Amino acid sequence: ELKVEQNPLFLSMQEGKNYTIYCNYSTTSDRLYWYRQDPGKSLESLFVLLSNGAVKQEGRLMASLDTKARLSTLHITAAVHDLSATYFCAVDKEEYGNKLVFGAGTILRVKS
Amino acid sequence: EAQVTQNPRYLITVTGKKLTVTCSQNMNHEYMSWYRQDPGLGLRQIYYSMNVEVTDKGDVPEGYKVSRKEKRNFPLILELPSPNQTSLYFCASRLTGTGRAFFGQGTRLTVV
Repeated sequence: ELKVEQNPLFLSMQEGKNYTIYCNYSTTSDRLYWYRQDPGKSLESLFVLLSNGAVKQEGRLMASLDTKARLSTLHITAAVHDLSATYFCAVDKEEYGNKLVFGAGTILRVKS
Repeated sequence: EAQVTQNPRYLITVTGKKLTVTCSQNMNHEYMSWYRQDPGLGLRQIYYSMNVEVTDKGDVPEGYKVSRKEKRNFPLILELPSPNQTSLYFCASRLTGTGRAFFGQGTRLTVV
């Protein structure tokens, strides 16, 4: 069974600081995704990671994937208030019908 | 503009009164799915469809029905809504079973 755990579930940080959100998954998966959700809004795709060692960056966010450890990280560099949102990681696998299995989400609050 | 459109955005109903939430996508995607989002649980898949007339259960299908008569539409039907179906619902579509998913704006359903 595919399971995804994120931590922390809540993160309050100061502007300008760095931090990392962790995403562990229970069994090998085909792909790993990161999504962002603003309050009351839909989910926006951030990154799709396909292979071991994959690293993708956009702005102050960088995502990486270690398939051997079954771990992905979302690193935030020099946080700004606009990054406040809920971040989800998700995995899928063909033998599970390609359904996206989500973590519980990390609520990020960046304080000025 | 590529999008997934859900209606209604907000719905309050009474126990046992049948309702339908519509979902339409304009990207010619084959794969569509429904999720419910509950605090602390992330998003859980209700049903998915890999193509027209092909649907299958996700993780939490009890109390829900779907149909896929046309490629673009994937309505979610609650024939006998109950209070435990109070949740935020998202429709999503993907080109095939892989790749990033595009999410609708969400439907906040309250069953009293």
